[in-house]
Amino acid sequence: GESVGLHLPTLSVQEGDNSIINCAYSNSASDYFIWYKQESGKGPQFIIDIRSNMDKRQGQRVTVLLNKTVKHLSLQIAATQPGDSAVYFCAVFAYSGAGSYQLTFGKGTKLSVIP
Amino acid sequence: EAGVTQFPSHSVIEKGQTVTLRCDPISGHDNLYWYRRVMGKEIKFLLHFVKESKQDESGMPNNRFLAERTGGTYSTLKVQPAELEDSGVYFCASSLQDRGGEQYFGPGTRLTVT
Repeated sequence: GESVGLHLPTLSVQEGDNSIINCAYSNSASDYFIWYKQESGKGPQFIIDIRSNMDKRQGQRVTVLLNKTVKHLSLQIAATQPGDSAVYFCAVFAYSGAGSYQLTFGKGTKLSVIP
Repeated sequence: EAGVTQFPSHSVIEKGQTVTLRCDPISGHDNLYWYRRVMGKEIKFLLHFVKESKQDESGMPNNRFLAERTGGTYSTLKVQPAELEDSGVYFCASSLQDRGGEQYFGPGTRLTVT
């Protein structure tokens, strides 16, 4: 099966600085990765995804980097704003072996933005 | 377009009681998933419906948990009898038939068993 680990449970960043949140996965066959943002009182919200045929993907102020060699992905948030304060989860979407594809989540990194 | 909704938002019950959680997916989404997050731990998959059929229930903790999706629309997750370790936030998510990776999550139901 798949397991997803996170490097830091909390991260504090000054407003305007860039944030980097890291994640590691275990199964080298995994090929679809997703970052979610969860604000207080809400469910996880899709931010950005990447497939294994790419090393980098950019969105609006966010970039995901995938290093398949070391099974590591990261989420970079440019010019971090107070509204970015949330818990960020990485997830792997892969076949479970039990009949369907599943999301396997990491534990989450709580990002706090200091005004 | 309405998102995934869950009811109730909070539930506090005593050990041994029964609780039923409800999830209404986005209209037209055949895939419906249940997840749980126990405090301080990762969000864990419980089960997956495709329309009214259980596709994968490998994440269900034990037979005290029963999920249904009558008519392939809303789903319920019943815990009977509830135990202390069942406390956590239960999330529901839905997706289009061939877009299992693009799941839309509801706000969750926070269950506290005392």
